[in-house]
Amino acid sequence: EAGVTQSPTHLIKTRGQQVTLRCSPISGHTSVYWYQQALGLGLQFLLWYDEGEERNRGNFPPRFSGRQFPNYSSELNVNALELEDSALYLCASSLVRTEAFFGQGTRLTVV
Amino acid sequence: AQTVTQSQPEMSVQEAETVTLSCTYDTSESNYYLFWYKQPPSRQMILVIRQEAYKQQNATENRFSVNFQKAAKSFSLKISDSQLGDTAMYFCAQQPFTGNQFYFGTGTSLTVIP
Repeated sequence: EAGVTQSPTHLIKTRGQQVTLRCSPISGHTSVYWYQQALGLGLQFLLWYDEGEERNRGNFPPRFSGRQFPNYSSELNVNALELEDSALYLCASSLVRTEAFFGQGTRLTVV
Repeated sequence: AQTVTQSQPEMSVQEAETVTLSCTYDTSESNYYLFWYKQPPSRQMILVIRQEAYKQQNATENRFSVNFQKAAKSFSLKISDSQLGDTAMYFCAQQPFTGNQFYFGTGTSLTVIP
C-alpha cells in the first residue's frame, strides 16, 4: 500500500512568487494535515482538512491557504513568498482516531 | 487549550545504554491518544509507539516503552539498548478523542554515541 506522497520533493522559489505543494494521502484516509518545519525547529501546525472541509488552521497569515479535493488529496498554496517561508513542509494523513502517517516532505527554499 | 511540552531539546546516550525522553501535556479531555514519533536525519517521520489514555497498561514496542502517568499528564519514552539508528528527532504528540487534530511538542534531538 502506498504511503503519503508529496510533490515536489525540493523547490527553489524567488521572494514574492507563489508556490503550490501537493499531497496524496494513504488510500481511505480522509484527514490531511500540513505542518511547517523550519530548520532546527519543531512542527508548526498549518492546516487540517477533513472530508473536503478546512477544520482548523494554525497561526499563519492568510497567504498560506489550501484545499482538499474529493479524492482527499490536498494542496498547500503560499502566496507572496518570504525568505522565512524556507522550510520543510510536511503532509500527514489519518483516519478517525488513528495515528498520523507522514510524507517525506517538500523542502522549499526561498531566495 | 491542548499543549505538549518536551523540556529536553537535546540528549545523548551511549550505544547499548538506556535513555528516557520526557513529555508532558495539558488537556481538559478525559480520553485521548498519545504518540511518540521519530524523525531520522533522512526526515521521514515515523510512528514509534502509541498509547490510549483509557488504558492503564504502558505501551511497549520492542526496545521502546512508555511511562504513562495520567494524573501527572506525563508520557515519557524509554529506549533500551540504544542503537546508532535511534539517532533522530523525537516528537511527542497528543490527539483528543473528540477530534482528529494532533498537537506536537517541540521535539528532542537524540544522538546515540558509538
